[in-house]
Amino acid sequence: EVQLVESGGGLVQPGGSLRLSCAASGFTFSGYSMNWVRQAPGKGLEWVSSITSASTTVYYADSVKGRFTISRDNAKNLLYLHMNSLRDEDTAVYHCVRSGSGWYEFNLWGQGTLVTVSS
Amino acid sequence: SYVLTQPPSVSVAPGKTARVTCGGDKIGSNSVHWYQQKPGQAPVLVMYYNSDRPSGIPERFSGSNSGNTATLTISRAEAGDEADYYCQVWDSATYHYVFGTGTKVTVL
Repeated sequence: EVQLVESGGGLVQPGGSLRLSCAASGFTFSGYSMNWVRQAPGKGLEWVSSITSASTTVYYADSVKGRFTISRDNAKNLLYLHMNSLRDEDTAVYHCVRSGSGWYEFNLWGQGTLVTVSS
Repeated sequence: SYVLTQPPSVSVAPGKTARVTCGGDKIGSNSVHWYQQKPGQAPVLVMYYNSDRPSGIPERFSGSNSGNTATLTISRAEAGDEADYYCQVWDSATYHYVFGTGTKVTVL
């Protein structure tokens, strides 16, 4: 089955760190660019970060640049998001998302993992 | 930064046509993608490159894009079409993906 399964979410204090993981299965992970998209409770979708298939290029939203790092391990079919200096406004469900063959669209989404930043 | 504006809500009677708009500066020169999100579920791609439907998406869904407005059209609306819909583009000026503000479609 083609799927993405996130893990690593939880409760963390402001200023803390967390690492999210995404396990891909059912497709050739190394052939696709990957992304993280988040959704705060009751709010809309917000793109967070993207990484190309061979990790040659990464992009970040202004709201997380300098605090979050995206990476991947193609040998293990895993995508990561390292989150540092977490803020209250980072509280959200974080979705692992596969880009389409054209790079510009998102054609496979994971169910997401909830990150709660609170003291 | 590039902004995509959607109406907060759209209501449609069963069997009628709903149109969800996505406004942005010269959006017609960009490719627009649309996602459907039902409560408690992950988003699903329902339209890409303005008017292409992924496999499994009913022909009742169609898309267009011109000038400053992109539109997702849902024909012969069904109760199962109730969801939040988001448009999305790639902003080549900032190398950012941008989502619209989202529209809640209600079938009543």
